[in-house]
Amino acid sequence: GNSVTQMEGPVTLSEEAFLTINCTYTATGYPSLFWYVQYPGEGLQLLLKATKADDKGSNKGFEATYRKETTSFHLEKGSVQVSDSAVYFCALLNSGNTPLVFGKGTRLSVIA
Amino acid sequence: DAGVTQSPTHLIKTRGQQVTLRCSPKSGHDTVSWYQQALGQGPQFIFQYYEEEERQRGNFPDRFSGHQFPNYSSELNVNALLLGDSALYLCASSLGLAGATYNEQFFGPGTRLTVL
Repeated sequence: GNSVTQMEGPVTLSEEAFLTINCTYTATGYPSLFWYVQYPGEGLQLLLKATKADDKGSNKGFEATYRKETTSFHLEKGSVQVSDSAVYFCALLNSGNTPLVFGKGTRLSVIA
Repeated sequence: DAGVTQSPTHLIKTRGQQVTLRCSPKSGHDTVSWYQQALGQGPQFIFQYYEEEERQRGNFPDRFSGHQFPNYSSELNVNALLLGDSALYLCASSLGLAGATYNEQFFGPGTRLTVL
């Protein structure tokens, strides 16, 4: 079956630190991969996506590269801000008409 | 342009009761998906509606049912509530059936259901 495993949080960083949140997946076929962000009290927002191997998704200084050989889609940001504090979810969508499959989420807290 | 809206924001029910949650999709969207997000977990897919029919269903019992109206809005009904049904229920809308060619799903803020 399809599944997503992401590093457990919480992750606490100082402002301007480098961020990595690991995500690996298991899927049949060739899934599309996503990172969603959930700010306190809000729904999920799509942060970035990649639809095929070696694609790099990027948005708001965040980036992630679709690595088929390691079945990974790690989220990185070079310099985090307090406003990046949120819960981050890695997700996949397999080929065909299948729903999004989410990881458990990683809570990030950035302190000034 | 209004995004996805859900009502109510919060709800408290007791075991055995029934609940109805509502969702209005983003303007122009015709597909609605429902997800359950338990505390500390990622969202789990419940079902998806398109053209007023349930098109896909996740691993949820028949106590969970839904409906889509001609204006594309949707309801999620849960019967015989259990303590374990306490969660944030998220609605997501998209244009066309997500999956074959990916159409971004836009999420609402969710309804927080507490079952006592």
